[in-house]
Amino acid sequence: GENVEQHPSTLSVQEGDSAVIKCTYSDSASNYFPWYKQELGKGPQLIIDIRSNVGEKKDQRIAVTLNKTAKHFSLHITETQPEDSAVYFCAASHGSGNTGKLIFGQGTTLQVKP
Amino acid sequence: DAGVTQSPTHLIKTRGQQVTLRCSPKSGHDTVSWYQQALGQGPQFIFQYYEEEERQRGNFPDRFSGHQFPNYSSELNVNALLLGDSALYLCASSLRGRRNSNQPQHFGDGTRLSIL
Repeated sequence: GENVEQHPSTLSVQEGDSAVIKCTYSDSASNYFPWYKQELGKGPQLIIDIRSNVGEKKDQRIAVTLNKTAKHFSLHITETQPEDSAVYFCAASHGSGNTGKLIFGQGTTLQVKP
Repeated sequence: DAGVTQSPTHLIKTRGQQVTLRCSPKSGHDTVSWYQQALGQGPQFIFQYYEEEERQRGNFPDRFSGHQFPNYSSELNVNALLLGDSALYLCASSLRGRRNSNQPQHFGDGTRLSIL
């Protein structure tokens, strides 16, 4: 069935370093891959997304890469800051029937040490 | 511009009771999806509503039902509550796109449901 695996489950970096979170998906029909940041007591906040016709997308310190052949996609955060500390979720979806059902990974807890 | 709003923020119920959770979508959005997030896990899709109809359903029993109103707001109802239903219930809204074109989903802060 549909599945998204996310690694690592926890990640601790020093302020200013880069952080990378990786996900793999099982459904080859998936064509939309959003990333969410969830802070304590809040709902997931969309931070970046990528579609299957694009290999890489960047927004300031955040970038996402997609390898459709390997069914891998990754989130890269450069120059990390303490306010980047949160739980990050990757997700995958396919547009069949245009329902937009998102399949989420298990989450990565990122800690940025000042 | 108001984002997705959910009510109530917290709720405590006992086993066997019924609960109704409410969601108002982001302005301009017409599609509402509901997710269940257990502690320490990623959200799991319950179902999605568009044009007042359930369009797709995840792997949840019939005890979970929903409704969408003409103003696009939505309700999630859960009957015969079980201890395992304790979770954060998230509502996400989006604007229906072209066929085979996913549109970004924006989440509310959820309703924390505790079953005693």
